[in-house]
Amino acid sequence: DAMVIQNPRYQVTQFGKPVTLSCSQTLNHNVMYWYQQKSSQAPKLLFHYYDKDFNNEADTPDNFQSRRPNTSFCFLDIRSPGLGDAAMYLCATSGTTRESTDTQYFGPGTRLTVL
Amino acid sequence: AQTVTQSQPEMSVQEAETVTLSCTYDTSESDYYLFWYKQPPSRQMILVIRQEAYKQQNATENRFSVNFQKAAKSFSLKISDSQLGDAAMYFCAYRATPGGTSYGKLTFGQGTILTVHP
Repeated sequence: DAMVIQNPRYQVTQFGKPVTLSCSQTLNHNVMYWYQQKSSQAPKLLFHYYDKDFNNEADTPDNFQSRRPNTSFCFLDIRSPGLGDAAMYLCATSGTTRESTDTQYFGPGTRLTVL
Repeated sequence: AQTVTQSQPEMSVQEAETVTLSCTYDTSESDYYLFWYKQPPSRQMILVIRQEAYKQQNATENRFSVNFQKAAKSFSLKISDSQLGDAAMYFCAYRATPGGTSYGKLTFGQGTILTVHP
């Protein structure tokens, strides 16, 4: 089945130690998104890629970076995680045809713990 | 900027009964999409139903239906014949039509936790 896959599902890192979260998709969608979701809150968009074009949200800290080496994969890099970065990180995708562009499909998320 | 408001932090319903979750939004756009997403305790966000603003007919997906009032900027979700598996956090979300100033961005409400009692 076509889907959005995130690895790992759970990640533990130490304060200040860089960490990379991975997202892959088999939907062949042009657009990929990264959201941060803290407990009992709505997801907050960090950035998105339209093909290789990177679009950063104005309030996303510089500590968060992203890479998209090809259509299928997208990575979230947190350069120096702080305790406040502990959260669930959600990857989502959407297409660009009228029929597919309106809906975002989410992966299961990666829960990040910072010690 | 668009905003989405869910005024009910928590709702509960008895199994087999009907519940309605409220959502209001604010936008200056005329064409957009509205969604209800469900996030069970496993945390995967699942699309429940979507509505295109230019369509007057309310969307329906099996036991889930919406009451879309464009002039009032209201988009409520009705769940009929509630089941235990419906228990989750429900998010209302708005998205501008592609090509608008907010292309690609979902604006979420704060969420409503739905509890289903057996």
